[in-house]
Amino acid sequence: DTAVSQTPKYLVTQMGNDKSIKCEQNLGHDTMYWYKQDSKKFLKIMFSYNNKELIINETVPNRFSPKSPDKAHLNLHINSLELGDSAVYFCASSIRGSGGAADTQYFGPGTRLTVL
Amino acid sequence: GQQVMQIPQYQHVQEGEDFTTYCNSSTTLSNIQWYKQRPGGHPVFLIQLVKSGEVKKQKRLTFQFGEAKKNSSLHITATQTTDVGTYFCAGRNFGNEKLTFGTGTRLTIIP
Repeated sequence: DTAVSQTPKYLVTQMGNDKSIKCEQNLGHDTMYWYKQDSKKFLKIMFSYNNKELIINETVPNRFSPKSPDKAHLNLHINSLELGDSAVYFCASSIRGSGGAADTQYFGPGTRLTVL
Repeated sequence: GQQVMQIPQYQHVQEGEDFTTYCNSSTTLSNIQWYKQRPGGHPVFLIQLVKSGEVKKQKRLTFQFGEAKKNSSLHITATQTTDVGTYFCAGRNFGNEKLTFGTGTRLTIIP
């Protein structure tokens, strides 16, 4: 009965490879997010989807492509992985993304990506 | 763009001492949220403040939103080992879809 789940939990891969991270939420929320947390613990938003529609797209390399097949799922595909992509990637969801109490972010457990 | 800074970046306190982290935004916020991330864990929502000058308490935690809605603070009274973690504020501008997280304050407790 996990609220926001991510797979895999750990991902170790070589530079240049392509990899995907999957996220699912069973909270019935409309909005889902991808965040990147670097080694200094800074938490930066990458993308946000509301009901399968992209609403936030921060300055992120084109190698990162989110995909939302339905409002309960938001996947992240990364092409041509680089050393600097090593980080913890968190998926999150909220009832909606426009402020107020409905804006509370529920985070998944994170995916620790290591690029060698 | 909007920046949200927190000080201090790190804080080590003896168990039983008080702890405060301060959050400052470069722009006026519509609301501010606080999250706690335990070591190896994920951020967990603590509270949201909306009104200018608002003060909210959760047991030993006191949250404050500044009068100008550009700063906030979290104060923990008589810290316990369970308080260990990184505390983040997160602010949202008016009419903006994006929640900007602060730089975080990492709290360690010396038993």
